[in-house]
Amino acid sequence: NAGVTQTPKFQVLKTGQSMTLQCAQDMNHNSMYWYRQDPGMGLRLIYYSASEGTTDKGEVPNGYNVSRLNKREFSLRLESAAPSQTSVYFCASREYPGLGSNQPQHFGDGTRLSIL
Amino acid sequence: DAKTTQPTSMDCAEGRAANLPCNHSTISGNEYVYWYRQIHSQGPQYIIHGLKNNETNEMASLIITEDRKSSTLILPHATLRDTAVYYCIALGNMLTFGGGTRLMVKP
Repeated sequence: NAGVTQTPKFQVLKTGQSMTLQCAQDMNHNSMYWYRQDPGMGLRLIYYSASEGTTDKGEVPNGYNVSRLNKREFSLRLESAAPSQTSVYFCASREYPGLGSNQPQHFGDGTRLSIL
Repeated sequence: DAKTTQPTSMDCAEGRAANLPCNHSTISGNEYVYWYRQIHSQGPQYIIHGLKNNETNEMASLIITEDRKSSTLILPHATLRDTAVYYCIALGNMLTFGGGTRLMVKP
């Protein structure tokens, strides 16, 4: 029972390089989310996809792009990595989006990204 | 999403109940209160959620005040493995985590 799987688990990039973080869920969830967590901080939403075919910006979208490839997969791309994007990135999924939804989010184990 | 306020840190003796408070005075009528925890740098783990009524599962109990402006997560018999950061979230369409409460369970 894999749940939410993120790849890679660790990555080191040089400033200006590009990178795609992968996320896949096997729970048939409709909504998927990308967060970043900086040291000692809570999680901040980057982008989310309420359903297949839709994506929306979260709190901190600048410098990122996303693709909802299909119902299972939601990728996060850094086109030109900057040191300020050094962080731990978490992907999450949820059965349904929406205010009052009675469904928890399920999280992956994260991708630890360092940009030099 | 409604803003939540939690104490920065708390200590609890092993085997005793840990009571973690959360204020969410601006919560909307149909926003659920969710609790998650994060151990070390792992992904957040879902614990429990509720709307109006108190809830209990195998991990914890959730007590929500009648006016829904605050709630308390109760770990009935805390163990060392419960040492983590606990997040209280009033859930809307997105889910925003604040700083949470760092719970230290001590022998």
